[in-house]
Amino acid sequence: GAVVSQHPSRVICKSGTSVKIECRSLDFQATTMFWYRQFPKKSLMLMATSNEGSKATYEQGVEKDKFLINHASLTLSTLTVTSAHPEDSSFYICSARTGTSLGTQYFGPGTRLLVL
Amino acid sequence: EDQVTQSPEALRLQEGESSSLNCSYTVSGLRGLFWYRQDPGKGPEFLFTLYSAGEEKEKERLKATLTKKESFLHITAPKPEDSATYLCAVTNFGNEKLTFGTGTRLTIIP
Repeated sequence: GAVVSQHPSRVICKSGTSVKIECRSLDFQATTMFWYRQFPKKSLMLMATSNEGSKATYEQGVEKDKFLINHASLTLSTLTVTSAHPEDSSFYICSARTGTSLGTQYFGPGTRLLVL
Repeated sequence: EDQVTQSPEALRLQEGESSSLNCSYTVSGLRGLFWYRQDPGKGPEFLFTLYSAGEEKEKERLKATLTKKESFLHITAPKPEDSATYLCAVTNFGNEKLTFGTGTRLTIIP
């Protein structure tokens, strides 16, 4: 149980274009989803927290107009990287948390983004 | 501010050689301590959640323990497939965010 999927697993795009990444909880309802970014050989950096039906809460230093997050249902959150630039190239990982306040976060497999 | 320190940074073991990974934490009111395993190019895989000092949990060759200042992940008779980066993280009662350590990169040599 507690499976989280992400799509696509990897994407290559041209500079200036936008890319959407989907995160789905497959077998549970996720009231809260999180988006992380991970640089090579580094730990996960939280970008934003999203609650179903509410605006996302972004961490300090993360541009909310560049990284658009939508959490339209209890099983789906999307991250859109707008006007992507090479410095946005990274490994993006989502996680979903079950409904209880002590709920564990279950992570998706990640999306590798390369901006040319 | 919550802090998590993991040691060692990297560990190489022979197959069958048992050892422990350390996670020291400073948190204002521990809600939970989490252990994850991450393979290269993959998202973290959940292993254990510990909530209070003295708690222990086991899964196959792994056993996690918790004190008021640190957690240990004991690995008994490891196999090459146990090679991965092991991440420790905490949450506090003030918020729901995970604060991660930098991980221990474990390599098991056949």
